[in-house]
Amino acid sequence: DQQVKQNSPSLSVQEGRISILNCDYTNSMFDYFLWYKKYPAEGPTFLISISSIKDKNEDGRFTVFLNKSAKHLSLHIVPSQPGDSAVYFCAASGASGAGSYQLTFGKGTKLSVIP
Amino acid sequence: EPEVTQTPSHQVTQMGQEVILRCVPISNHLYFYWYRQILGQKVEFLVSFYNNEISEKSEIFDDQFSVERPDGSNFTLKIRSTKLEDSAMYFCASSEGENTEAFFGQGTRLTVV
Repeated sequence: DQQVKQNSPSLSVQEGRISILNCDYTNSMFDYFLWYKKYPAEGPTFLISISSIKDKNEDGRFTVFLNKSAKHLSLHIVPSQPGDSAVYFCAASGASGAGSYQLTFGKGTKLSVIP
Repeated sequence: EPEVTQTPSHQVTQMGQEVILRCVPISNHLYFYWYRQILGQKVEFLVSFYNNEISEKSEIFDDQFSVERPDGSNFTLKIRSTKLEDSAMYFCASSEGENTEAFFGQGTRLTVV
């Protein structure tokens, strides 16, 4: 039962261009969404989050867009840099209602930024 | 910058043995979590801990698992009798409050042989 889906296992982008990572969810109870970046043999590193009351949040080169009606969110990285190459996980919380802070993760998308 | 620290980084244990994975969450955080990632699979929630008790647990977190906050700084995960399928990366995380981002440790790679 995949409540959070990242349908693209990998993505290659040229340095300087935009990277767009996509995520879909099925549980309408989710109310908080996060993106994490992960390098091999390291823990997930928090990147950016968005609450369900917003449709956009921006932090430097990273922007997250939320489309609640489509149950879809995306992470835009612009411009992409070689150091951005990593696995990106979409995560969501609130599945069990108020007071539920466990994160449900997608399977991840491996981003490769080509110099 | 404050960080979540986990020890050991790698633990090898024989099937049936008990293991304790240790974590030091970020000091002003109130919510603590354990997650695991089996090789090639996604990161899965195990348990959350708040106010000295378990607040949520997944179906993975059965009677073989337990968590403890033995003092003001450490947060431990104990697996009573390890199975081969417990082999995974175990991540500890902590967060400041409700619906705030969770910060993860570097993980402990548990290998059960």
